[in-house]
Amino acid sequence: FMLTQPHSVSEAPGKTVTISCTGSRDSIAGNYVQWYQKRPGSAPTTVIYENDQRPSGVPDRFSGSIDFSSGSASLTISGLKTEDEADYYCQSYDRTSHGGVFGGGTKLTVL
Amino acid sequence: EVQLVESGGGLVNPGGSLRLSCAASGFTFSSYGMSWVRLAPGKGLEWVSSIDRSSSEIYYADSMKGRFTISRDNGKKSLYLQMSSLRAEDTAVYYCARDYSGYLVFDYWGQGALVTVSS
Repeated sequence: FMLTQPHSVSEAPGKTVTISCTGSRDSIAGNYVQWYQKRPGSAPTTVIYENDQRPSGVPDRFSGSIDFSSGSASLTISGLKTEDEADYYCQSYDRTSHGGVFGGGTKLTVL
Repeated sequence: EVQLVESGGGLVNPGGSLRLSCAASGFTFSSYGMSWVRLAPGKGLEWVSSIDRSSSEIYYADSMKGRFTISRDNGKKSLYLQMSSLRAEDTAVYYCARDYSGYLVFDYWGQGALVTVSS
């Protein structure tokens, strides 16, 4: 299956932005979705795992949610900071191929 | 502290081979599945291959099947990726990642190893 993300989003510091990740209803409903932050020159880091869980050390400004009816996942970042500027990728698991599936990534600009 | 450190990247000719290593520390390596994920220039993250704790379940992305081989040595706390028949489109930074759950939920990532395939 495929996961589709918007190519880019932008918002001002202090505001809230939501990044969507759309898959088939079966793909999103049956598997956990993760979100990774990728800054240039740095390794990816996990900001949300298992749909809505936040790793220790990740600010509570980051939250994840699933809309099972539409087969979409969302990453919401509130109180935007310039340091949040990065590429964000959603990811899930394909039980048929036993492989990982990434969305194409969304470039977040905080301006 | 969980650490994953890749090594073995470099410049290789098309059709050539290269072996990446990922040294793990700060956790019980034998208790976790591991994966390789790559990021090609101008592209997005791409899952490459995964291996379970005991090396009994191994999977590859379609474009890597028959060319890449993942393996691990739990005694040495190391993960490997043997790459052969390399193509220009395999040029990427290769990351090793720890699988938190066994269903490719990645919680820790290495810093990456750059592989450049060019003549």
